[in-house]
Amino acid sequence: KAGVTQTPRYLIKTRGQQVTLSCSPISGHRSVSWYQQTPGQGLQFLFEYFSETQRNKGNFPGRFSGRQFSNSRSEMNVSTLELGDSALYLCASSAGTGGTDTQYFGPGTRLTVL
Amino acid sequence: AQSVSQHNHHVILSEAASLELGCNYSYGGTVNLFWYVQYPGQHLQLLLKYFSGDPLVKGIKGFEAEFIKSKFSFNLRKPSVQWSDTAEYFCAVNAGGSYIPTFGRGTSLIVHP
Repeated sequence: KAGVTQTPRYLIKTRGQQVTLSCSPISGHRSVSWYQQTPGQGLQFLFEYFSETQRNKGNFPGRFSGRQFSNSRSEMNVSTLELGDSALYLCASSAGTGGTDTQYFGPGTRLTVL
Repeated sequence: AQSVSQHNHHVILSEAASLELGCNYSYGGTVNLFWYVQYPGQHLQLLLKYFSGDPLVKGIKGFEAEFIKSKFSFNLRKPSVQWSDTAEYFCAVNAGGSYIPTFGRGTSLIVHP
């Protein structure tokens, strides 16, 4: 099976701009989660989508949003970028059927905000 | 809300040394527990997980972890580390029927040859 893919791998933006990141889950997985990884904070959960609906949400401002398409692909959008948004954004897919599910992670998108 | 603590942020060992990485969580009910590893330049991947049964769980590459309910702990161990174990290790906990694991901040392990 092909793994989780994320595009683009690297992005450089300036403050105030917006950005869209894309994630393609493992075939058959219906749950896609997004995480922000930084050296000081570790992995922080942004949100999870299951069957095109946001099922869980972390404690991030409304500038962070996402969506999921009928083929389970997901996009994450960050508007009005701030310097503190510089991070590695990870996408993970799973079957989404329960708490014992393994999360399968993509390689991440490295976002740098200047 | 549950929280996950990894007490060792940086660990440096020589090859063949024994490893134990601590993980504690704060939730009194049923939990599902995971250790993930991120090798340099690679994706985060599952090392092992526990959700029921024998509290001593074996994972890939010789790693094991023991769930001690009374201590709210799920420590990762390996009797003899190798240089290739250099990586970042994350403990994660699903609690209370949640679909989403809460991750610890990670432990960076460096193994010197």
